[in-house]
Amino acid sequence: GESVGLHLPTLSVQEGDNSIINCAYSNSASDYFIWYKQESGKGPQFIIDIRSNMDKRQGQRVTVLLNKTVKHLSLQIAATQPGDSAVYFCAETPNSNSGYALNFGKGTSLLVTP
Amino acid sequence: GAGVSQSPRYKVAKRGQDVALRCDPISGHVSLFWYQQALGQGPEFLTYFQNEAQLDKSGLPSDRFFAERPEGSVSTLKIQRTQQEDSAVYLCAVQRGFGYTFGSGTRLTVV
Repeated sequence: GESVGLHLPTLSVQEGDNSIINCAYSNSASDYFIWYKQESGKGPQFIIDIRSNMDKRQGQRVTVLLNKTVKHLSLQIAATQPGDSAVYFCAETPNSNSGYALNFGKGTSLLVTP
Repeated sequence: GAGVSQSPRYKVAKRGQDVALRCDPISGHVSLFWYQQALGQGPEFLTYFQNEAQLDKSGLPSDRFFAERPEGSVSTLKIQRTQQEDSAVYLCAVQRGFGYTFGSGTRLTVV
């Protein structure tokens, strides 16, 4: 079936460095993509999203890049901080309108070392 | 997370026991989802409600799983005759516009 997956299960970076987390998806009909951060014992927390008609979107310290040609999504975190340590999931849905379930990847664990 | 309250936070059940997990959206949301998250995995879709109507239950793993939202607000996920493979975190999410907001989940451990 269609799936969303991540290239690296774990990523360790030094505080202050930039982090890049990658995600591959296989559903060419995917229309809406979201990056989530999940800390231990908590539910997924929205970070940033992007529609399929865009290739880049920036937030505060985060940037999402979408390459529809190769079905690849990345999350860039600038000046990574210890509080960024968490598991990061990409998720996609074929339709950003109400009522469409998200399809999640397995996640990447980001560890920020001082 | 803000906007979705789940209870209990933790539940230990003996194999064969029935459990009920509650999701309470703090403010009114039309769309409500249940997800199952196994240890070290991403959340997987279980079922979807639009108000009180259950429009998609394709992700429920067996007929031991049952969900309801009788008044279009609070939802309950019930698991009958729990088995060890049911051990997971059960997440509730609500949607408004493009955004999905998740609760903190209920961690179910079947022993």
